Amino acid sequence: DAGITQSPRHKVTETGTPVTLRCHQTENHRYMYWYRQDPGHGLRLIHYSYGVKDTDKGEVSDGYSVSRSKTEDFLLTLESATSSQTSVYFCASWAGKGETQYFGPGTRLLVL
Amino acid sequence: DAKTTQPTSMDCAEGRAANLPCNHSTISGNEYVYWYRQIHSQGPQYIIHGLKNNETNEMASLIITEDRKSSTLILPHATLRDTAVYYCIVRPSDRGSTLGRLYFGRGTQLTVWP
Repeated sequence: DAGITQSPRHKVTETGTPVTLRCHQTENHRYMYWYRQDPGHGLRLIHYSYGVKDTDKGEVSDGYSVSRSKTEDFLLTLESATSSQTSVYFCASWAGKGETQYFGPGTRLLVL
Repeated sequence: DAKTTQPTSMDCAEGRAANLPCNHSTISGNEYVYWYRQIHSQGPQYIIHGLKNNETNEMASLIITEDRKSSTLILPHATLRDTAVYYCIVRPSDRGSTLGRLYFGRGTQLTVWP
């Protein structure tokens, strides 16, 4: 929906390695979000951005950092991946006000 | 925190209407009701949203009670491809302190059978 892509779509990595996930949107939306989804927890907010270089933490931000140098790109970095970060990661974007928030297709990350 | 209550699961015969209820008894005057669905771990897909009036689009209809404490999502002619988890979400109409984030609960697993 709404031109949101995520890369990579699948990744397997080892504990302790850095990992960067990319979210790209073509709608010029101001707000972008990273969620993770785990069995029994639904979607939980990791970090969000309310403009270029403006980011803030969600409720599960430990071990993650983000950057947004351009409106269209929002990067999520796991500085040193742990097995507890094995999850499905979803990116979303929103224009604001009464507009709809759209989600990307997700990235499946497995940390061994 | 999710501010909605939905049944854990429902089922529906193909071709029949699927009516998915949602309780949101603590909804505030400036909060919209949004519905999303998620098909087999794909990204959540927007369906419809409303504030006070009933709404209809090409996918579904949303019926909101007059007191706004509950709503029903109606899929008029369910197909097998409508099998998914359906999420009912309330969100302020402006940025507010939530900055647009959506609080997902457990949702309702709708199974459409042939």
